[in-house]
Amino acid sequence: EVQLLESGGDLVQPGGSLRLSCAASGFTFSNYAMSWVRQAPGKGLEWVSCISGSGSSTYYADFVKGRFTISRDNSKNTLYLQMNSLRAEDTAVYYCAKVRDSGPYYGHDQWGQGTLVTVSS
Amino acid sequence: QSVLTQPPSVSAAPGQKVTISCSGSSSNIGGNYVSWYQQFPGTAPKLLIYENNKRPSGIPDRFSGSKSGTSATLGITGLQTGDEADYYCGTWDSSLSAWVFGGGTKLTVL
Repeated sequence: EVQLLESGGDLVQPGGSLRLSCAASGFTFSNYAMSWVRQAPGKGLEWVSCISGSGSSTYYADFVKGRFTISRDNSKNTLYLQMNSLRAEDTAVYYCAKVRDSGPYYGHDQWGQGTLVTVSS
Repeated sequence: QSVLTQPPSVSAAPGQKVTISCSGSSSNIGGNYVSWYQQFPGTAPKLLIYENNKRPSGIPDRFSGSKSGTSATLGITGLQTGDEADYYCGTWDSSLSAWVFGGGTKLTVL
């Protein structure tokens, strides 16, 4: 059974940093691209970033370029999202999602339960 | 403003059929696979349709997907009250090098 377990969400002040983690199990982690998708309170889904199965390719939404960094440790079956220079508008539930293939072009077939990031003073 | 356009809401009676549209452009829907997601309040999204019209195991055949040009459609037949949820379309955008989602459609089963 595929499991994705996010952690690291917290209350942080504007301008602060946070690192999210997503522990994966139940599949060959390195064979699949992984994404972070967020959802602000009462809003729709918003894709944040994706990383290829090998980790060699990364992709970002314009609104996080230069502030967020996606990475993965295939030896630990773990996905990360380093978030710097956080803004109030980054407040959201952040989901880790598995892509159906090693590249980013396919649908997201498994999702974690989400971790809440709140940016507020 | 989402790159993909969905109606904010749709409604139909139990047992009826409903369709949800998703409109994009040649750089996203027109050139890439579309997937659809179902989300109940307070829970994670769930994949309903991938590669335009394929259903993951466990998804009933009441759910179907299609694509034509730069638009895609999710169809749900035999509506049940348990189908009340938010539905999102999504695809890769080759110009943006980014994944894009529609704004979501709230389905009400009257």
